[in-house]
Amino acid sequence: GAVVSQHPSWVICKSGTSVKIECRSLDFQATTMFWYRQFPKQSLMLMATSNEGSKATYEQGVEKDKFLINHASLTLSTLTVTSAHPEDSSFYICSARASGQETQYFGPGTRLLVL
Amino acid sequence: KQEVTQIPAALSVPEGENLVLNCSFTDSAIYNLQWFRQDPGKGLTSLLLIQSSQREQTSGRLNASLDKSSGRSTLYIAASQPGDSATYLCAVEEGTNAGKSTFGDGTTLTVKP
Repeated sequence: GAVVSQHPSWVICKSGTSVKIECRSLDFQATTMFWYRQFPKQSLMLMATSNEGSKATYEQGVEKDKFLINHASLTLSTLTVTSAHPEDSSFYICSARASGQETQYFGPGTRLLVL
Repeated sequence: KQEVTQIPAALSVPEGENLVLNCSFTDSAIYNLQWFRQDPGKGLTSLLLIQSSQREQTSGRLNASLDKSSGRSTLYIAASQPGDSATYLCAVEEGTNAGKSTFGDGTTLTVKP
């Protein structure tokens, strides 16, 4: 079946630093990848839609200059949290949709803790 | 805007019981519905995926049903075990090409030995 990986699975950083999270589709090509965020005791919320070769589309309330998304290839999308602050501590999960298909496959997620 | 509700928010049962988790959604124009399991501090594990044209899917002790017209899905767990303790999330994927998924808040299940 389709597999999506994320790296790293855990990251702890100091306030003010930038953190990059990778999302890879391992055995299929994904024209579209989605980034979600989950705060403690809350449901996952869509942050942005990433299309290969074009700019990401951000959901309302998500700062595009803070959460930089790059989808440079059909198997890789990256989310960079710039100048991270403690309130950015969260669980970030990506999903990928294979070219020509509709079903999304979800990655295992990345836990970010900003001290 | 799609809204997904899961009831109950928390459930505690003794080992061996059969149980049902509920998920409802407001917009029936969906592409699919997926049930996930999330263990504390860990990522999502996909359990069952039901396409909009399907009515149910089964995997081992799990059975998920979908009634798209009424905006409801249930996850049935048979003969529950302590290892089933986790948070169960349902997610509905939009029926358009946007492919966005909306998640419920989850049901936290505790199975007592």
